[in-house]
Amino acid sequence: KQEVTQIPAALSVPEGENLVLNCSFTDSAIYNLQWFRQDPGKGLTSLLLIQSSQREQTSGRLNASLDKSSGRSTLYIAASQPGDSATYLCAVRNNYQLIWGAGTKLIIKP
Amino acid sequence: GAVVSQHPSRVICKSGTSVKIECRSLDFQATTMFWYRQFPKKSLMLMATSNEGSKATYEQGVEKDKFLINHASLTLSTLTVTSAHPEDSSFYICSASPSGAPNEQFFGPGTRLTVL
Repeated sequence: KQEVTQIPAALSVPEGENLVLNCSFTDSAIYNLQWFRQDPGKGLTSLLLIQSSQREQTSGRLNASLDKSSGRSTLYIAASQPGDSATYLCAVRNNYQLIWGAGTKLIIKP
Repeated sequence: GAVVSQHPSRVICKSGTSVKIECRSLDFQATTMFWYRQFPKKSLMLMATSNEGSKATYEQGVEKDKFLINHASLTLSTLTVTSAHPEDSSFYICSASPSGAPNEQFFGPGTRLTVL
C-alpha cells in the first residue's frame, strides 16, 4: 500500500532564504508526482507535476525533483517571500488515484 | 486552465439536518469526479470516486448512506451529508478529471462544513 510522508510537518524561515521541502513514498511504481499549495481555508493550487520519466520540473522560483528509485521528491523554493507562506502538499498518482502526504506548513517571516 | 467550482464555500447547519455540496466543472466535461475530506493538519482522505451515470465507488470506511453522491451530468456532482452530526464538520474538496484525461485532476476551492 502506497504511503506518502512529508517532512518536516512545519517550517519557519526568514524571508530571502532558500529552502527544501521533502516528500517520500513507499512504492516506486507511480505515474507522476505533484506538488500543491494550500492557503488556510482554501482549496488546492497545483504547483508542479513531474511525470515518472522525468527528474525535475521548474516554475519560477520553484524546482521539484523526483528520484523514483529512492522514493523521494524535493520542492526547492528560492529566495523565499512572505507570500510563500502556505501548506505544501505532495501527492503521488497510482492507478488513477492520488495518494497524499499530510503537508508541510511553511511560514516565511518578514 | 480548467476550473472547478464548489458551492457553497461555507455552510453551518444544525445537527440532524442534511447538507448538499455541489461540484461543477466549468469549462470541461468530467467523466470522473472525486470527493475528499480534509481534517486539520491531516492529508486529504479520498471519500469516493464519482462516475457520471453510475453509482459512486466509496472508499473503505466511508458510509454510502451517510454521504450520498450523485453525478447526473458531465459537469456536476453533488455530495449530500445526511443527518449531519458535529463529527461531520470538516473541509470537503472535490476534483474533476476531464473526459479522456484520467491522469489529470483539477480541484475545487473546498467547502467548509460546520455542524452545530
